[in-house]
Amino acid sequence: QQQVKQSPQSLIVQKGGISIINCAYENTAFDYFPWYQQFPGKGPALLIAIRPDVSEKKEGRFTISFNKSAKQFSLHIMDSQPGDSATYFCAARIFQAGTALIFGKGTTLSVSS
Amino acid sequence: DGGITQSPKYLFRKEGQNVTLSCEQNLNHDAMYWYRQDPGQGLRLIYYSQIVNDFQKGDIAEGYSVSREKKESFPLTVTSAQKNPTAFYLCASSPIAAGGTEAFFGQGTRLTVV
Repeated sequence: QQQVKQSPQSLIVQKGGISIINCAYENTAFDYFPWYQQFPGKGPALLIAIRPDVSEKKEGRFTISFNKSAKQFSLHIMDSQPGDSATYFCAARIFQAGTALIFGKGTTLSVSS
Repeated sequence: DGGITQSPKYLFRKEGQNVTLSCEQNLNHDAMYWYRQDPGQGLRLIYYSQIVNDFQKGDIAEGYSVSREKKESFPLTVTSAQKNPTAFYLCASSPIAAGGTEAFFGQGTRLTVV
């Protein structure tokens, strides 16, 4: 119940295309769902996050779609650029319990020019 | 500048040795975390601490130990009991007051057993 399942493991997208990464969870107590971006040799950095009281959140070219009934959420990167090439992690957390983030296994995105 | 500092960036350990990874934050965050990253495995939680002098085991705590004597510091010791310690280690911190959700990560320490 503590797992967050992420797919695909790797993704190749052409410049200007849409990148879509999906995550699913089981624990309905999770109430905070962030996405992190990581470049090689660096620590992850928060990209965008959503709480379950909204179905979509958009920040620039990045959008989170959240489906509470299906227990799924996804990251959409519009107009993908070579600079977006990185590893993306979804995560979940029971905020009120002050617990640690549970991460998916990551998706390596390559945007070809 | 505020942030999380991990040191060293690269660390080499001989088999049978204990090594300690440093993590310091000046963000005044209450909670601190240690994660291990292996290729294709995501980030797995080793230990976390919500307050000074208290910490909890994560999913893969065996072979590791931590201390939290100061709010700013959360060092991780990789003991000789950890059979496969070669990995990328990430420290993070976050506030746990209402509304505080984002976890900030350091730049990591890459540990290699030689």
